[in-house]
This record gives sequence, structure tokens and C-alpha cells, in this order.
Amino acid sequence: AQTVTQSQPEMSVQEAETVTLSCTYDTSESDYYLFWYKQPPSRQMILVIRQEAYKQQNATENRFSVNFQKAAKSFSLKISDSQLGDAAMYFCAFTSGTYKYIFGTGTRLKVLA
Amino acid sequence: DVKVTQSSRYLVKRTGEKVFLECVQDMDHENMFWYRQDPGLGLRLIYFSYDVKMKEKGDIPEGYSVSREKKERFSLILESASTNQTSMYLCASTDGRVYGYTFGSGTRLTVV
Repeated sequence: AQTVTQSQPEMSVQEAETVTLSCTYDTSESDYYLFWYKQPPSRQMILVIRQEAYKQQNATENRFSVNFQKAAKSFSLKISDSQLGDAAMYFCAFTSGTYKYIFGTGTRLKVLA
Repeated sequence: DVKVTQSSRYLVKRTGEKVFLECVQDMDHENMFWYRQDPGLGLRLIYFSYDVKMKEKGDIPEGYSVSREKKERFSLILESASTNQTSMYLCASTDGRVYGYTFGSGTRLTVV
């Protein structure tokens, strides 16, 4: 069975600092996609970044970047220059041959002023 | 701006009531999904639909049913609400796995 694990229920970071959220997954598929979603207190889930498994280059979106280690089945999210607006729940998600996504249990990120 | 709209942000229902949660998307997406979100459990798939009038069970379909009569609308039905169905319900749609889901704002359902 395919699984996604986020081992950090909660993380804190000082404003302007860098934080890394961890995600590991398990699959026997070779072709798949990985995502990080952000859910602010307002609840609308927003796509932060996506990674295609066949691409070796790590995805980057402004202050957000990933460290994709395919062999280790690891997909961590790095947030640079953290801002108060980054405070949210972050979910890691995986999808392979169908459009169904498997989500992790989430990491609550607190940003300290 | 593309949207997935869930008709209610908050609902309070009584045990045994039949409950309808509505979701409408304006992106002409074929694939629509219903998840429930609970603390410590993440998002769990209830039902999904690849096309009009088509539906498939997700991981936790017990106590739920769905209806998709039109492409843009996907309804989740709680046939007889129970307290253990108190949760956040999220609707999502996509036209392909490459692009990710677009989510609605969620409906927080409380069953008393």
C-alpha cells in the first residue's frame, strides 16, 4: 500500500529564518507526483509546490523549495525567509497512476515574531 | 479565477438526519473528490467521481453516498448522520494529476 508520513506534528520558526518540513512516502511505482499543500486558518487548501518523480531537479517556487530524494523516498519542504503568513498546516501528498491523492497527517507550522 | 465552491462553511445537524453537502466547480474538471479531515489523521478519501454519474468508493465510504448528475456538481450525502461523522469535509477537483487538486473552502459539520 502507498503511504505518506509526516513525522513532525508541529514545528516553530522565527520570522526571517529557514525551516524544513519532512515527508517520506512509500510506493513501488516509478512514475508519480508529489505535492505540498498549505492550509491557513481560513481553511482553503492551497498548492504550494509540486514535483514530478521523473525530474531530478528539485522544484522551487519563490521562497519554497523541495529536497526530493527519490531513492530515499523523501520529499521535504524548505521555507526560506519565513513570514508570519506562512503559519499554517502543511500537507504532503502523493499520487501515481490515478488521480487519487494520498495525504500525510500534516505539520502545523508556527512562525514566531 | 477558478473555483470550487462548497455551499456551507458550517453546519449543525441532529443525529439521524439526512445531510447533503454540495460542491460545485467552474473549471470543467472531470474528476471530483470528497475528503474528510480530522486532527492527527490528515485527509481521508470518502468517494470520488471520474465522470458524470460515475462514482467510486474511497477509503472510508461507510455511512456516505454521493451523487453526480452534472459535471460541475458533486454532492456528498450522509444517509443518517451520526456523531462520529462530525468533521471537516473538503471537496476537490482536478483535470489531471500533474496540476494538483483545487480545493473548496471546506464544510465543518457538527452532528449533535
